[in-house]
Amino acid sequence: DTGVSQDPRHKITKRGQNVTFRCDPISEHNRLYWYRQTLGQGPEFLTYFQNEAQLEKSRLLSDRFSAERPKGSFSTLEIQRTEQGDSAMYLCASSLAPWDTQYFGPGTRLTVL
Amino acid sequence: ILNVEQSPQSLHVQEGDSTNFTCSFPSSNFYALHWYRWETAKSPEALFVMTLNGDEKKKGRISATLNTKEGYSYLYIKGSQPEDSATYLCAFSSFEGSQGNLIFGKGTKLSVKP
Repeated sequence: DTGVSQDPRHKITKRGQNVTFRCDPISEHNRLYWYRQTLGQGPEFLTYFQNEAQLEKSRLLSDRFSAERPKGSFSTLEIQRTEQGDSAMYLCASSLAPWDTQYFGPGTRLTVL
Repeated sequence: ILNVEQSPQSLHVQEGDSTNFTCSFPSSNFYALHWYRWETAKSPEALFVMTLNGDEKKKGRISATLNTKEGYSYLYIKGSQPEDSATYLCAFSSFEGSQGNLIFGKGTKLSVKP
């Protein structure tokens, strides 16, 4: 088991462009979470999936953000019409069940110019 | 609004020093308290999960305690080494609201000088 992986590790984009990130969780984990960390803050919850179902979205997740987890395996997080305020580290985590230890990937650092 | 506070924000110690950090969290609807270590360019690494008042966990030179009644946890590092340099995050999970999503503090950044 190689742990949670995320791709890309870094993304630089211009304001107004769309970006997509991918997360591959630990294979048997049903739960998948997305968090965002901005400068000087701790990671903040964005959304989570139980298998392929997206069960909750934070108020932080504006209409420009969409997340999917087709077939309950990998997940993608897309940001449309990026803004400078979207610059952050986007972290993905997975767990076997609710309230179990969450295992994190290395994150995707997004810079919006 | 659920809030998790960590102190200090940053800490600089010499190799061999022992150190400790504090995490305070809401004591109502408590489910678990998590500690993570996050080294630059790596994934946050789970250190401990504690659920019971009075829990004490140990992993090598690192240990943690939990007081759910007053809403705080301490993380101790004995004989700090340069490889302990990292940001230490605590996170709280609650029975209230989402099933298991974590509420993080801002972290304590530890630098250990050789």
